[in-house]
Amino acid sequence: DQQVKQNSPSLSVQEGRISILNCDYTNSMFDYFLWYKKYPAEGPTFLISISSIKDKNEDGRFTVFLNKSAKHLSLHIVPSQPGDSAVYFCAASDQSGTYKYIFGTGTRLKVLA
Amino acid sequence: SQTIHQWPATLVQPVGSPLSLECTVEGTSNPNLYWYRQAAGRGLQLLFYSVGIGQISSEVPQNLSASRPQDRQFILSSKKLLLSDSGFYLCAWSEPGRFPEAFFGQGTRLTVV
Repeated sequence: DQQVKQNSPSLSVQEGRISILNCDYTNSMFDYFLWYKKYPAEGPTFLISISSIKDKNEDGRFTVFLNKSAKHLSLHIVPSQPGDSAVYFCAASDQSGTYKYIFGTGTRLKVLA
Repeated sequence: SQTIHQWPATLVQPVGSPLSLECTVEGTSNPNLYWYRQAAGRGLQLLFYSVGIGQISSEVPQNLSASRPQDRQFILSSKKLLLSDSGFYLCAWSEPGRFPEAFFGQGTRLTVV
């Protein structure tokens, strides 16, 4: 049972345009959502997060939106840069209970120069 | 500051041989610890997590086991490796109440031949 889903395995975007990465979850106990960026043969690095009590969090070029009723979150990168090319993982956590981090299958973003 | 060390970086082992991967965290006390695996073309699968010394929760039935002999040490083991154990293994830590995100090590690339 895949509790966190990223239905787009890959995405190509032109440099300077907006990148939108999507994520869906099924477990209503999740109360914290995170995005990680991963390069090959390296560990994921934390990018941005959002608590379930908010619907938007912004950090520079990165914005995460949360729609609790739809159990959907998205990561917006604007403007996209070639250095943003990586695999992006969505994760969900139950910070008031199990403290597990459940990850999606990832979306490979390629930003074209 | 907190750091996580994971070794070795790469490992080639024959089928049927034992496995021991070690992970240590510095600069924090009583962290939650996690082992993940990224198989080829797949997401990050949670294998084990631990909220304290000697407390191990297994997420996926498999050929692997985990132990936490000290507060900041997490070990992933197998008595006899299978070909299907090949993958990229990642250790992570979190500190509930202080940082809501998890932080990852650099990973171990395991190839079972």
